[in-house]
Parts: sequence; C-alpha cells; structure tokens
Amino acid sequence: AQSVTQLDSQVPVFEEAPVELRCNYSSSVSVYLFWYVQYPNQGLQLLLKYLSGSTLVKGINGFEAEFNKSQTSFHLRKPSVHISDTAEYFCAVRVVRDDKIIFGKGTRLHILP
Amino acid sequence: EAGVAQSPRYKIIEKRQSVAFWCNPISGHATLYWYQQILGQGPKLLIQFQNNGVVDDSQLPKDRFSAERLKGVDSTLKIQPAKLEDSAVYLCASSLISRNEQFFGPGTRLTVL
Repeated sequence: AQSVTQLDSQVPVFEEAPVELRCNYSSSVSVYLFWYVQYPNQGLQLLLKYLSGSTLVKGINGFEAEFNKSQTSFHLRKPSVHISDTAEYFCAVRVVRDDKIIFGKGTRLHILP
Repeated sequence: EAGVAQSPRYKIIEKRQSVAFWCNPISGHATLYWYQQILGQGPKLLIQFQNNGVVDDSQLPKDRFSAERLKGVDSTLKIQPAKLEDSAVYLCASSLISRNEQFFGPGTRLTVL
C-alpha cells in the first residue's frame, strides 16, 4: 500500500525567507506525486505535480519541488515566502494507472512578519 | 468557468441526527469524488463516481453514510445517524475524466455535538 509522510505538522518562517516543506512517500510501484495548497476556509488547489521527465517541477506562486526516487522524497521549496503563502500544504501520491489519491496529513505554513 | 459548488458551508447537528450535503461539479466533469477531512489530517476518499455509477466506495461507512449521483451531475452525501467522530470537513471534487486533475469545492464543515 502507498503512504505519504509529511515530517512537519507546522513550519514557521519569516517573510521573505526561504522555506522547504518535507514529504516522503512509500510505494512498491511507480507513482505520480502532487502538492496541494489549502487556504483558510477554502478547498484544495493543485500547486504542482510530477508525472515523469525532469525531476525538478515548477508550480504556481513561485513554488517548486524535486522528485528524488532514491530517497523517495518530494520536498516543496520556495526561495522567498510572502504573507499570502499562509496556508496548509498537502503532499499526495497516486499510483500510475490508478484513480485514488493518498494525501499526507499536511503541513501548516506560518509566515512571521 | 464556475468551480465546484458545495452547500451548506457549515452545519451543526446533534449526534444521532441526519444531515445531507450537496455538490455541483464543474460542468462536463464525469468523475466526482467525496472526501472526508478530519482536523489535523489529509483528505480521505469516501466515494468516487464515474457519471452516475460508483467506481470506489471501499472507505465509505455504509452503515451510516450514503451517496448518490442520480443524473450524473449533482451529488448528495448523507449521514444517518451522525456520530461525534463524523465531525470533519466534507470536500467534493470533480475531474473531466478519472485520473485527470481534481478540482475541489470549498467544503462543508460539519460539527456533531
């Protein structure tokens, strides 16, 4: 079975500082990887996805993530955060040729002024 | 393009009462999903529809939860009777076809007292 581990439940970071949100996955078969963002009182929005090809994936709002197969990781990064990035971020995995998306527990990003 | 609509946005009920949630997917989207998001956790798939047929309901507690999508468009999710542990946000999502990007609605926050 597939699983997703987000190592940090909360990450505080100062405005304009860089941030990395960590995600590790477990799967015995090939998977697709996703990062979603959930702003307060809103549904989830896709930030970026890795399907194949280049392991460095760029998404919306200046975020990027790198797929590392040997470390089974898909960490999310942004070089300079803004107050508007305050949200919960979910890493997710889907088995190739399957429908079901498995979500991690989420990481709450706190931007400090 | 209108997004996924859900109502109500908030609902408070007492345990053993019944409740129903409504979802209107993006026009033309054949696949519809209902997720349960308990506080501090990622969304968990409850049921997936392809048009008006059920594709996956393996994680739906069928003794108390039911869902339908009679005309292949709108969907309702019902809980009868509700338990305290049903307190969560219920998210609806849709995709053009299965395995395509899922678009999420704002969710219904249910509190069971």
